[in-house]
Amino acid sequence: DAGVTQSPTHLIKTRGQQVTLRCSPKSGHDTVSWYQQALGQGPQFIFQYYEEEERQRGNFPDRFSGHQFPNYSSELNVNALLLGDSALYLCASSFDSVYNSPLHFGNGTRLTVT
Amino acid sequence: GNSVTQMEGPVTLSEEAFLTINCTYTATGYPSLFWYVQYPGEGLQLLLKATKADDKGSNKGFEATYRKETTSFHLEKGSVQVSDSAVYFCALSDQDNQGGKLIFGQGTELSVKP
Repeated sequence: DAGVTQSPTHLIKTRGQQVTLRCSPKSGHDTVSWYQQALGQGPQFIFQYYEEEERQRGNFPDRFSGHQFPNYSSELNVNALLLGDSALYLCASSFDSVYNSPLHFGNGTRLTVT
Repeated sequence: GNSVTQMEGPVTLSEEAFLTINCTYTATGYPSLFWYVQYPGEGLQLLLKATKADDKGSNKGFEATYRKETTSFHLEKGSVQVSDSAVYFCALSDQDNQGGKLIFGQGTELSVKP
């Protein structure tokens, strides 16, 4: 049973560029959440997708956008990259019908902006 | 707003020592509380949780009790092993949450020496 998978594992981009990160949820999960983890910090919630719609959003600018596909996989897009966007981006999946369903995290994508 | 504060690390212990990692929170209502662990190069894994006051979560020898009167959820283990070396995150999910949005503390790095 595959867990949450993320791609790519590492990425280097230049300021001003755009990036797309991908996530496949754990089998049977229908909800995907994205987090940004800066070095030495705890993860910060970006947004959550359910039924292909953004359901909740954290305190992140509109440069951060996402998408969920009918197979529940998800993408995180970041436009006009800033140096401060360098971080580990974590995807987490859960099963919506279970209140406080535990989140299962992927190993993350390490984004470096130069 | 809701927040989580953890004791600062790194914490360095000898094998078989007693571990306490302090966690306090600020939240309205009755949040659910979690401890996650992050091993080097990996994503976060749920260690334990508690969903109401006086609940005790436990797993792999770790325990934490939801104390509403002191707004705390301290993590304890009676005898740590080298394999427990990791970063530990305390987190909360507010009572109206669908489960995807967690608020994390900054993390506490634990290093256990043989």
